[in-house]
Amino acid sequence: DAGITQSPRHKVTETGTPVTLRCHQTENHRYMYWYRQDPGHGLRLIHYSYGVKDTDKGEVSDGYSVSRSKTEDFLLTLESATSSQTSVYFCAISEYSNQPQHFGDGTRLSIL
Amino acid sequence: AQSVTQPDIHITVSEGASLELRCNYSYGATPYLFWYVQSPGQGLQLLLKYFSGDTLVQGIKGFEAEFKRSQSSFNLRKPSVHWSDAAEYFCAVAARGTNAGKSTFGDGTTLTVKP
Repeated sequence: DAGITQSPRHKVTETGTPVTLRCHQTENHRYMYWYRQDPGHGLRLIHYSYGVKDTDKGEVSDGYSVSRSKTEDFLLTLESATSSQTSVYFCAISEYSNQPQHFGDGTRLSIL
Repeated sequence: AQSVTQPDIHITVSEGASLELRCNYSYGATPYLFWYVQSPGQGLQLLLKYFSGDTLVQGIKGFEAEFKRSQSSFNLRKPSVHWSDAAEYFCAVAARGTNAGKSTFGDGTTLTVKP
């Protein structure tokens, strides 16, 4: 299995607090992605990165920011969490943009 | 913009029966196409992919898919379903060119297998 670790695996927090999710890879893949998964919506791309300090927005980027200061780490930040951001968040990696993605086990985030 | 439609939200089949999960895509050129499977509490795992060439692709766990350009479809099939195949299945399309990196996933099809 591809070496992808998401942390934390579960988090409960309150509306208005900042939250940072971490994705760590050991594969040295260039591309890293953050998705959210909600019932009836499949996976929706939040942000992705195509290299250190190179990121781009996905279809649901509002309210989220990302950073990638090292090849192996991709951080997703909710600056001021809202209840609508309660979801399961998945990180994925791929060697190239057209290659299959390898997924982490997800982070279940609940915002009360 | 690219899009993916999985028309069936939920499918139930008997163990040993054949399976076909539908996927329709919208994209201006020949896309990269993928099928993934997700078991409860897990991330997604790649079943198979189509890039170019032979339109019938083989994947893991006995799955196959056929790319039909004229129908903009990439349906997943398995001749005989096992109880362990019960899971959620996602079709995905990856863009080429300037939008490389922006993959789009369908909403998923949940497969239930009856004994």
